[in-house]
Amino acid sequence: AQTVTQSQPEMSVQEAETVTLSCTYDTSESDYYLFWYKQPPSRQMILVIRQEAYKQQNATENRFSVNFQKAAKSFSLKISDSQLGDAAMYFCAYMGGGNKLVFGAGTILRVKS
Amino acid sequence: DAGVIQSPRHEVTEMGQEVTLRCKPISGHDYLFWYRQTMMRGLELLIYFNNNVPIDDSGMPEDRFSAKMPNASFSTLKIQPSEPRDSAVYFCASSFGLAGVKETQYFGPGTRLLVL
Repeated sequence: AQTVTQSQPEMSVQEAETVTLSCTYDTSESDYYLFWYKQPPSRQMILVIRQEAYKQQNATENRFSVNFQKAAKSFSLKISDSQLGDAAMYFCAYMGGGNKLVFGAGTILRVKS
Repeated sequence: DAGVIQSPRHEVTEMGQEVTLRCKPISGHDYLFWYRQTMMRGLELLIYFNNNVPIDDSGMPEDRFSAKMPNASFSTLKIQPSEPRDSAVYFCASSFGLAGVKETQYFGPGTRLLVL
């Protein structure tokens, strides 16, 4: 079974600085997608970014980018120019066969002003 | 687009009572997923449907849980009888589902259930 590991329970960043959240996964599949979701205090799950495993180019969405290392099974999220509104729980998720999402335990991101 | 709609947003009930959670997926989406989020177990998939048919219910914790999708725009998750350990946030999510293509899942706001 696939597993997703987020080794950082909590991270802090100064406003306007850059922070990187780590994620590793374990799978024997070759066709899969990876996602980062953001969960603010409202508990709404918001898609941040996604990466298709067959794509070598790292995905970017404005201030959010990923470092996808397929061989190492690593999928980190970089947030540039951090803003107060970025404070939330961030979940890394894996989607393989069957379109099911497997989530990591999450990383709480605190943004200091 | 209204997004995924869930009701109620909050539910407080007493142990032994029946609880019904409701979900309306995004129009045109043909996959629907039910997740549960707890502190102890994190986010876990309970069951998912494709074209109103249950595909995988291996995450349903026990027979007290049941889910239905009578049509493309409505699904229910029922707990009968409810127990305190069922207290959690229950999310519904939906996505498109082209054959062989993985699609992003969009989540509803969740239902926060408290069983006393």
